[in-house]
Amino acid sequence: DARVTQTPRHKVTEMGQEVTMRCQPILGHNTVFWYRQTMMQGLELLAYFRNRAPLDDSGMPKDRFSAEMPDATLATLKIQPSEPRDSAVYFCASGLTAGRFSGELFFGEGSRLTVL
Amino acid sequence: AQTVTQSQPEMSVQEAETVTLSCTYDTSESDYYLFWYKQPPSRQMILVIRQEAYKQQNATENRFSVNFQKAAKSFSLKISDSQLGDAAMYFCAYKVHYQGGSEKLVFGKGTKLTVNP
Repeated sequence: DARVTQTPRHKVTEMGQEVTMRCQPILGHNTVFWYRQTMMQGLELLAYFRNRAPLDDSGMPKDRFSAEMPDATLATLKIQPSEPRDSAVYFCASGLTAGRFSGELFFGEGSRLTVL
Repeated sequence: AQTVTQSQPEMSVQEAETVTLSCTYDTSESDYYLFWYKQPPSRQMILVIRQEAYKQQNATENRFSVNFQKAAKSFSLKISDSQLGDAAMYFCAYKVHYQGGSEKLVFGKGTKLTVNP
């Protein structure tokens, strides 16, 4: 049963600490999206990768956030230093895009981050 | 910029009845995709239904169907014979695939659906 795996499911940390969230996309998928979900803002796109290359990170605060795909089986989202306003649920989603075809996105279960 | 608007923050329906969730979007693109995702309390985002903009025929998946009005940029979701398990947040989403390779999936703010027994 193919699925997107995210770790950790829950993370509580103190302001100023580094936080790293990990995502294992579905094998064979070539696109990865990172979203942040809050009550106030809803689902915000943070970053988009295609074939491991970052094509859009315009929604990501550059001073403290960074996203990478060291290989096809791992995407990471790092916050350093973390702030209370970063508290949210972070979702990773993967999909397959080829030519004009753009398939559905499959979402992970999310990582709930609380920064005290 | 593309935007997706869900004008109903909350909706309720009686079990076995029909409910329609509204969604409008703004775009200058002619080729794109539209989706409805369901997010139950477990937090998992689950695809409910998908529509390609170039297809005139409205998509249907069992009890779920859409009313896609391309000229009006409207994409509503109809749930027939509502079940208790349909209670969730429902998100309308718009996806465009740019020629340069980039893609964008934009979500509405969501509609919370309550199903009353």
